[in-house]
Amino acid sequence: QKEVEQNSGPLSVPEGAIASLNCTYSDRGSQSFFWYRQYSGKSPELIMSIYSNGDKEDGRFTAQLNKASQYVSLLIRDSQPSDSATYLCAVRGNDMRFGAGTRLTVKP
Amino acid sequence: GAVVSQHPSWVICKSGTSVKIECRSLDFQATTMFWYRQFPKQSLMLMATSNEGSKATYEQGVEKDKFLINHASLTLSTLTVTSAHPEDSSFYICSARVASGSDEQYFGPGTRLTVT
Repeated sequence: QKEVEQNSGPLSVPEGAIASLNCTYSDRGSQSFFWYRQYSGKSPELIMSIYSNGDKEDGRFTAQLNKASQYVSLLIRDSQPSDSATYLCAVRGNDMRFGAGTRLTVKP
Repeated sequence: GAVVSQHPSWVICKSGTSVKIECRSLDFQATTMFWYRQFPKQSLMLMATSNEGSKATYEQGVEKDKFLINHASLTLSTLTVTSAHPEDSSFYICSARVASGSDEQYFGPGTRLTVT
């Protein structure tokens, strides 16, 4: 079992819709959770961090964490074509582990 | 967010030569820096973790004599690819962990290495 699992996608949503990206992790001792966005040919960019159960909102992005279910998600509201990228889930326990990423395409 | 720079952004070198890549945290101190490699359409692969003032910790399968890492200060880490070969051609990305507070980790823009 991979330590951090994400659906590879591609996930395709129409412009203006909500994109929902999911991630599960295996280390119950994990304390910090992050979402990164990576455009093709570029390095990852940190877009959200979350440390406690519940929702955290930042603009059009909402991160959701459920430690009991070992599940973290990212919602993107009013998706734009510029949101098209690969989204990486990262989980820190003793060290940082990355998922393989979910490729999101927002169609105009 | 915090800013991490990398230099050079791209480099082409001949097989057998060595290449040094610099990674700097510009507006924060980073006690820990990480080096990743990423091949096209593949996920990030952690190569090594470096802590300021101590030897780097390499991931399994990464040759420490080939990929030399130096973390001389709280804002600078370097990766030297020695005796580079075409199979070393890849996108090398450094990342720095904020020393205190948020526990966040920021990436540099990456260095695209092509070995001919």
